[in-house]
Amino acid sequence: SSELTQDPTVSVALGQTVRITCQGDSLRDNHANWYRQKPGQAPVLVIFDRTNRPSGIPDRFSGSTSEDTASLTITGAQAEDEADYYCNSRDNSGNHPYIFAAGTKVTVL
Amino acid sequence: QVQLQESGPGLVKPSETLSLTCTVSGGFVSAYYWSWLRQAPGREPEWIAYIYHSRYTSYNPSLKSRATISDDTSKSQFSLKLTSVTAADTAVYYCARDKSLGMPNFFDSWGQGILVTVSS
Repeated sequence: SSELTQDPTVSVALGQTVRITCQGDSLRDNHANWYRQKPGQAPVLVIFDRTNRPSGIPDRFSGSTSEDTASLTITGAQAEDEADYYCNSRDNSGNHPYIFAAGTKVTVL
Repeated sequence: QVQLQESGPGLVKPSETLSLTCTVSGGFVSAYYWSWLRQAPGREPEWIAYIYHSRYTSYNPSLKSRATISDDTSKSQFSLKLTSVTAADTAVYYCARDKSLGMPNFFDSWGQGILVTVSS
């Protein structure tokens, strides 16, 4: 199956902008989706189909994709944004409707 | 707004069968994709299986036919059975919904998760 790769950790100063990237061949043909997960909680969808925000997700979250790399940008990071972020997409092999990257731990300083 | 709630034993012995149920409120199990996922400590979520329109099922090949997903629309529930469990199956298990109209794509609603430990 295909793989998705994220940087393990990233930090951002309070109120600044941070971009998290997810790279993989499957992203050339399939939409990237992003989830936020806080300790002890279930993942929450924050971006779907590359750029769309579910209702209730603040507009400081935005998504984009270029070729094989998807990005999640938090503009004006807040303390509550400190969490693990995972991207997912479909798998080009056809065996795996859902694949996830290993995630990025975002620390807000 | 749809809500999902996992239930089942939190402790399963090695070689036995893990059985979990997800109860759905505010949504129809007969529509959309309904999945089971799991997440080992410190790891990303791993998709296990889905059931779609109560008829179509799909499984993660890595589980080598140990998993079975089914639903009971009269109870708004769907279930997972995972046979021959080992310590490697210890994880938080989630049920989740994908309301994509075409191919499965993303999970918009998740249950709170249930920790299942495999140990004698």
